[in-house]
Amino acid sequence: EAQVTQNPRYLITVTGKKLTVTCSQNMNHEYMSWYRQDPGLGLRQIYYSMNVEVTDKGDVPEGYKVSRKEKRNFPLILESPSPNQTSLYFCASSFWEGSYEQYFGPGTRLTVT
Amino acid sequence: GENVEQHPSTLSVQEGDSAVIKCTYSDSASNYFPWYKQELGKRPQLIIDIRSNVGEKKDQRIAVTLNKTAKHFSLHITETQPEDSAVYFCAASKTDSGGSNYKLTFGKGTLLTVNP
Repeated sequence: EAQVTQNPRYLITVTGKKLTVTCSQNMNHEYMSWYRQDPGLGLRQIYYSMNVEVTDKGDVPEGYKVSRKEKRNFPLILESPSPNQTSLYFCASSFWEGSYEQYFGPGTRLTVT
Repeated sequence: GENVEQHPSTLSVQEGDSAVIKCTYSDSASNYFPWYKQELGKRPQLIIDIRSNVGEKKDQRIAVTLNKTAKHFSLHITETQPEDSAVYFCAASKTDSGGSNYKLTFGKGTLLTVNP
């Protein structure tokens, strides 16, 4: 089954404790992206990747890191989480050309206390 | 950068009525405009999209119109049903240096409620 998976789905952590949210897709998509969703603010892009070893900042990259060492995986790293990073995070992937439909993962709800 | 404004933020209609959601964008170079639907507790999913060389596109009960001159586009849902209740997001993008329209800027969303 074609899908985007994220882990964990729910996470409660404390300020300053490094964490990684994994994202994996099995559709051989070139593009992958991370968004955060906050009430009243919609979906805001954090980072995106056009292919292996190629990443770029989105609209709200501060406090986040990413890497793309394999085509299927695109982990989101919070080196020192803060309460303002409490949010719902979505990973998405898409082909580079043709249809630009983005396939979203199920979301990760992160709470930083 | 691109800025996308979406209105209204909430919309309540009676079953069978039509619903219209409007978005405006700021970057005249934007040329791809998708609409995503997000049901409660679910992930966003693409429902329809339009490219700047087309003025209107329909898919059964949903349609999108684009006015490039005014830099606005709209989602129209006819004969609404309770299962249309969801948050709808518009987005805009322009072709990047790699020839793709992957980088999207989203509106803040419209919560549509269809009352039986």
